[in-house]
Amino acid sequence: DQQVKQNSPSLSVQEGRISILNCDYTNSMFDYFLWYKKYPAEGPTFLISISSIKDKNEDGRFTVFLNKSAKHLSLHIVPSQPGDSAVYFCAAGSHNQGGKLIFGQGTELSVKP
Amino acid sequence: DTGVSQNPRHKITKRGQNVTFRCDPISEHNRLYWYRQTLGQGPEFLTYFQNEAQLEKSRLLSDRFSAERPKGSFSTLEIQRTEQGDSAMYLCASSRERGRGFYGYTFGSGTRLTVV
Repeated sequence: DQQVKQNSPSLSVQEGRISILNCDYTNSMFDYFLWYKKYPAEGPTFLISISSIKDKNEDGRFTVFLNKSAKHLSLHIVPSQPGDSAVYFCAAGSHNQGGKLIFGQGTELSVKP
Repeated sequence: DTGVSQNPRHKITKRGQNVTFRCDPISEHNRLYWYRQTLGQGPEFLTYFQNEAQLEKSRLLSDRFSAERPKGSFSTLEIQRTEQGDSAMYLCASSRERGRGFYGYTFGSGTRLTVV
């Protein structure tokens, strides 16, 4: 029962171009969504979040889009930098679940100079 | 803010042995979570505490697993009679309860367990 899915295990992008990472979910009870970034041998680091009442949230080079009708969210990174190379996880939760998050499988982003 | 600290970073143990991991959360955070991550997968929720109370346990947490958070500070995760399938990265995270705020909690670097 994979409630949060990231169907692309990897993505390769040229430096300076846009990176788009996708995530689909099945549970309509989720009311917030987050993206985490993970480097090898480190724990995941919180990147950006969005409430289910919004369809977009922007923070510098990072923008998260939410399409509730399609149960789909995406993370855009513009412009991509080599330091962005990492594994990106999307996660979802609901306010009545005490902060418990359901994570996708992750997408490994490689930004080439 | 010294971050979330986990010890040890790596643990190799023989099948059947017991292991215990420790997590020290960010001091003002009242919520503490344990997750497990295997290769190619995202973190999977195991359990969480609010202060010293364990509020939820995943069905992934078999009877061989036990977690404690005495006095609402650090937490320990013990695995008894380890099996090879227990080999994974065990991640601890903490957050401050913020009502209906976002739960972008802080993860530690994890403890990598290898059962041989």
